[in-house]
Amino acid sequence: NAGVTQTPKFQVLKTGQSMTLQCAQDMNHEYMSWYRQDPGMGLRLIHYSVGAGITDQGEVPNGYNVSRSTTEDFPLRLLSAAPSQTSVYFCASRRDRGLYTEAFFGQGTRLTVV
Amino acid sequence: DAKTTQPNSMESNEEEPVHLPCNHSTISGTDYIHWYRQLPSQGPEYVIHGLTSNVNNRMASLAIAEDRKSSTLILHRATLRDAAVYYCSDTGKLIFGQGTTLQVKP
Repeated sequence: NAGVTQTPKFQVLKTGQSMTLQCAQDMNHEYMSWYRQDPGMGLRLIHYSVGAGITDQGEVPNGYNVSRSTTEDFPLRLLSAAPSQTSVYFCASRRDRGLYTEAFFGQGTRLTVV
Repeated sequence: DAKTTQPNSMESNEEEPVHLPCNHSTISGTDYIHWYRQLPSQGPEYVIHGLTSNVNNRMASLAIAEDRKSSTLILHRATLRDAAVYYCSDTGKLIFGQGTTLQVKP
């Protein structure tokens, strides 16, 4: 099993550009989420999904869109990138909606906006 | 969701026990306490979680206060590979505080 796979691993964007960070899991997990981690800081929850077709906002949702059309994939879209979105982005998945289970994290996407 | 509070950093000697505290004074009655750690340049990884009673697994132990407003992650014998940032959460959505950076000295 690959677990949680994030692509790309590194990305440089210009201010105003758009892009999609990909996250895929092969464990048939219902719950998926996105975090950002600024340099030297902790993890902040951006958006999460408890199943296909259902998404909700986390702590810092502004500037990001998500959708969940399949169980496996949970892409994160930046519509108009800003330097303040320079960060490392982590995707995570968990087996069920009960939120009592272990979360598995991807290795992260390092995004720089210039 | 109120965030948990943890000390910014702690130090330990190799092969000694480490007690990492976490305060979660506004935890609800049904929320679990979760602990994760993040090794340098890696994604976070699960350590342990529990509801009311103390929990043990191969990696660590979790001691939960009777009023559930605080908990302690216990590493029984710290190794150099345990040097990481440790995060606790008191919500199912895994909203973390700033975490504790654990330094392990040989």
